[in-house]
Amino acid sequence: NAGVTQTPKFQVLKTGQSMTLQCAQDMNHEYMSWYRQDPGMGLRLIHYSVGAGITDQGEVPNGYNVSRSTTEDFPLRLLSAAPSQTSVYFCASSYIGPRNEQFFGPGTRLTVL
Amino acid sequence: AQKITQTQPGMFVQEKEAVTLDCTYDTSDPSYGLFWYKQPSSGEMIFLIYQGSYDQQNATEGRYSLNFQKARKSANLVISASQLGDSAMYFCAMREFQTVGNEKLTFGTGTRLTIIP
Repeated sequence: NAGVTQTPKFQVLKTGQSMTLQCAQDMNHEYMSWYRQDPGMGLRLIHYSVGAGITDQGEVPNGYNVSRSTTEDFPLRLLSAAPSQTSVYFCASSYIGPRNEQFFGPGTRLTVL
Repeated sequence: AQKITQTQPGMFVQEKEAVTLDCTYDTSDPSYGLFWYKQPSSGEMIFLIYQGSYDQQNATEGRYSLNFQKARKSANLVISASQLGDSAMYFCAMREFQTVGNEKLTFGTGTRLTIIP
């Protein structure tokens, strides 16, 4: 199993550009989510999904869109990049249930100039 | 109010000593779970240990144990016999189960642990 994969690993954007961060998992997990990690702030939830066709907002959703057309894939779209979106982005997945830990992808380091 | 508080931004510990990383939480949900993750300098998030709010015993996983004090709302991670490879950032996180399918994790700000040879 590849687990949770993310592409790209690094990305530099100019303000106003759009892009999609890719996330895929091969563990048949129902739950998938996107977090951003900023210095001194831990990880904050952007969007999440409990299954194909179902998404919801997390703590910091502004400026981001998601969709879940398949169980495996959960892309994160930046509509018009801003310097405040410079961060490390993590995708995570898990089974639904109390004791199930979330498996994280390796992260994408995004810089917006 | 912060849901997860980690009050130690950084800690330095001598190799082979035990170390306790503090975590306090705030929730009104009677059913919840607490997780600890390790983030080494390479950046990946590694799951370490889990404690459920109704678990009767403190969780243990190898050298990791969780000192769970429900009345105090604390879930401290204890690492026994620390090793150089334990140097990393450690995050405490909570999941509240009030809503079915609510798998959202709330993270603390982390503690950077450095093991000194």
